[in-house]
Amino acid sequence: KNQVEQSPQSLIILEGKNCTLQCNYTVSPFSNLRWYKQDTGRGPVSLTIMTFSENTKSNGRYTATLDADTKQSSLHITASQLSDSASYICVVSPRGGNKLVFGAGTILRVKS
Amino acid sequence: IAGITQAPTSQILAAGRRMTLRCTQDMRHNAMYWYRQDLGLGLRLIHYSNTAGTTGKGEVPDGYSVSRANTDDFPLTLASAVPSQTSVYFCASSEETSGGHEQFFGPGTRLTVL
Repeated sequence: KNQVEQSPQSLIILEGKNCTLQCNYTVSPFSNLRWYKQDTGRGPVSLTIMTFSENTKSNGRYTATLDADTKQSSLHITASQLSDSASYICVVSPRGGNKLVFGAGTILRVKS
Repeated sequence: IAGITQAPTSQILAAGRRMTLRCTQDMRHNAMYWYRQDLGLGLRLIHYSNTAGTTGKGEVPDGYSVSRANTDDFPLTLASAVPSQTSVYFCASSEETSGGHEQFFGPGTRLTVL
């Protein structure tokens, strides 16, 4: 069964610190992997997208990595800001399919 | 440009009542989707539409129906609401249904069924 597991479930860090969120998936073969940011009370918004042949993608202070061999992805946030407080969702798209597989998300809280 | 709008923002509903959640997009996207989001679970697909006039079942379609009379609108109907349908509902759209196209999400509707 296609699954996406994320860790940790939740995380609290101090403003200015870095953090890394993890995503393990069993979807195979897959077309691409996205990280979404979901602010409280809002819909998810795409941060990064990587195809199966890419292993890193940056968007400002957000850097996603992908290891297709181990079926793992990570999202690294540098110099965190209070506005980074949100849920971060890993989403995998199976190749040839139209139904995305969503992780449950990691809830990040950045404290001042 | 509004993107995707959903209505209502939130609703409290008595069990057994009928309810329609509205979704409208102005991006002329072919594909539209309805998801529900529950605590501790990933977003789960309820129904989708590849293009106007067609619909398909997702992972959790029971108790829900959809229609796609035109490109812009994709309403979700609960014919007889039950408490297990308490959730946050997100509508999304993409240019096409293939996974390479980004899905854009609406702000969500928080539904409570008592």
